[in-house]
Amino acid sequence: GQQVMQIPQYQHVQEGEDFTTYCNSSTTLSNIQWYKQRPGGHPVFLIQLVKSGEVKKQKRLTFQFGEAKKNSSLHITATQTTDVGTYFCASRARQTGANNLFFGTGTRLTVIP
Amino acid sequence: DVKVTQSSRYLVKRTGEKVFLECVQDMDHENMFWYRQDPGLGLRLIYFSYDVKMKEKGDIPEGYSVSREKKERFSLILESASTNQTSMYLCASSLRTAAYNEQFFGPGTRLTVL
Repeated sequence: GQQVMQIPQYQHVQEGEDFTTYCNSSTTLSNIQWYKQRPGGHPVFLIQLVKSGEVKKQKRLTFQFGEAKKNSSLHITATQTTDVGTYFCASRARQTGANNLFFGTGTRLTVIP
Repeated sequence: DVKVTQSSRYLVKRTGEKVFLECVQDMDHENMFWYRQDPGLGLRLIYFSYDVKMKEKGDIPEGYSVSREKKERFSLILESASTNQTSMYLCASSLRTAAYNEQFFGPGTRLTVL
């Protein structure tokens, strides 16, 4: 089955509203990375979390890693049209000794001006 | 400025053709990856390479092969293209210990197989 499940698949918000996407796993994750892909663009790395309960902020973006390291969230405060895109989480693949990432299916964010 | 380039942004091929997708990185990264991206399915790993001439199968390697003769170049080969291989193909690279280092992506190649 899927290593990480990402929800929701789509989200439409009015400009100025908040937005959250979630990444969930049934097993403990080694790490979580978050990427943003603008429409017509390629994924760009945002951040990595590795510690239980870790919280990191980048301006209006807040990233959290759950205490049990089985889930993570990305929260955007007061969305702007520049936040439009698809947000992916990724974590180390589950296979023993794996040295690659497994990506979630992404959440596509639309911001209505 | 780090850079990953792909040989084509758009490609149209016919069923049964042999297709080569090229990827070059200028960051001296050990790891290189090929993904395909389809709506609702996210990024799925086809193959990756952690060193010259080394390769590992990803989640969906069937119908694809790869070649890494030089550190900076990683090629994806579709031996006999089929319509279900119509997709966006993304190349990426990263430093060693790929699972804990950020991946740098190329602009992507949108392949259509008719």
